[in-house]
Amino acid sequence: EIVLTQSPGTLSLSPGERATLSCRASQSLRSNFLAWYQQKPGQAPSLLIHDASTRATGIPDRFSGSGSGTDFTLTITRLEPEDFAVYYCQQYGSSPRVLTFGGGTKVEIK
Amino acid sequence: EVQLVESGGGLVQPGGPLRLSCAVSGFIVSNNYMTWVRQAPGKGLEWVSLIYIDGSAIYADSVKGRFTISRDTSKNTVSLQINSLRVEDTAVYYCAGGLTRYYLDYWGQGTLVTVSS
Repeated sequence: EIVLTQSPGTLSLSPGERATLSCRASQSLRSNFLAWYQQKPGQAPSLLIHDASTRATGIPDRFSGSGSGTDFTLTITRLEPEDFAVYYCQQYGSSPRVLTFGGGTKVEIK
Repeated sequence: EVQLVESGGGLVQPGGPLRLSCAVSGFIVSNNYMTWVRQAPGKGLEWVSLIYIDGSAIYADSVKGRFTISRDTSKNTVSLQINSLRVEDTAVYYCAGGLTRYYLDYWGQGTLVTVSS
């Protein structure tokens, strides 16, 4: 079963700065089926990126996803106040058939 | 507009049963992949169960044998039957889904399940 490890656990940045979040898989992901979600305090998660690099509907272009195989990155080019949140990566595995989330990265205001 | 609304959470004693429901509007449940995800207080997201378009289902090892996911096409709802509740099942339970099994397009706001004596 694939394990997703996110780093760092917490990222302290100022508005306007660039955020780089990492998600590493314990095995290579088939067809780069990796997604990223944003969760703000007291809210449900929401889909940001799917298939490693495709932005979900309505997601601003300051969010971008990249990577393949075992190493994936979520980049936020210029942090807006509303971007301070927790971010999770997620994959679907076909053998065994499971969904897996990473442990999350909290992006906090410095 | 797509909406997922969970219900059925509450305070339950260890060992007891609980049934969570997710009412969906804006898309047809039986034409989508529906999932339950939970989040223990202050913790990360944990996948619980997924029901495929063909009606088959898969479960996380931590809930296998105790949780059952189902759907009601007439009501356009998805349910999660939870038996033999444990303290460690305490969490907000989210219903989520979408057109693919690979990621979760839509999420509900969650329902809190607290297992305590």
